[in-house]
Amino acid sequence: DTAVSQTPKYLVTQMGNDKSIKCEQNLGHDTMYWYKQDSKKFLKIMFSYNNKELIINETVPNRFSPKSPDKAHLNLHINSLELGDSAVYFCASSQRDTYEQYFGPGTRLTVT
Amino acid sequence: AQSVSQHNHHVILSEAASLELGCNYSYGGTVNLFWYVQYPGQHLQLLLKYFSGDPLVKGIKGFEAEFIKSKFSFNLRKPSVQWSDTAEYFCAVTSIQGGKLIFGQGTELSVKP
Repeated sequence: DTAVSQTPKYLVTQMGNDKSIKCEQNLGHDTMYWYKQDSKKFLKIMFSYNNKELIINETVPNRFSPKSPDKAHLNLHINSLELGDSAVYFCASSQRDTYEQYFGPGTRLTVT
Repeated sequence: AQSVSQHNHHVILSEAASLELGCNYSYGGTVNLFWYVQYPGQHLQLLLKYFSGDPLVKGIKGFEAEFIKSKFSFNLRKPSVQWSDTAEYFCAVTSIQGGKLIFGQGTELSVKP
């Protein structure tokens, strides 16, 4: 039983392209997140959605646009990819009253 | 500013050695505290958490952590490590209302068989 799933697991693309990463959770949680893990393994929050509503938007370039079609899905679309976007992107979810976040397996994005 | 600091970047131990990983946080308000583990090539998994109550919390796989409010610390311990504990360990904090996790920079633990 996969709790938080992401696709694709690996994504290799060229600078300037547009790509999307999908995330789905089957835990019934109402809050979902995107985190970025850089090459030094530092994890930082990017976005958070609660019941399809954006509640956290850190200082992330406008090229990154999250979309939540329903509370079980939170996708991340990235326009005009740059070399510095290379990282592992983790999706997570939580139930607001428990605060524990469950993480997906990550998507390793490599921009060449 | 909210921040989490992990004292050790890379820790190397032999099997059966005792482990203590330091974590200090800076946060204006009451917090929830977490330790996550990331095994090589895998996603983050929750080891243990502290919300309130007994400051000594026990997690999975024999890990425990102690919250010392006066020191703003939440150190992770294990009395006897195994080779399978080789992983990256992250301390994290969030406000008691939940929301974004603020992570430390991680500590890489290597356990030699």
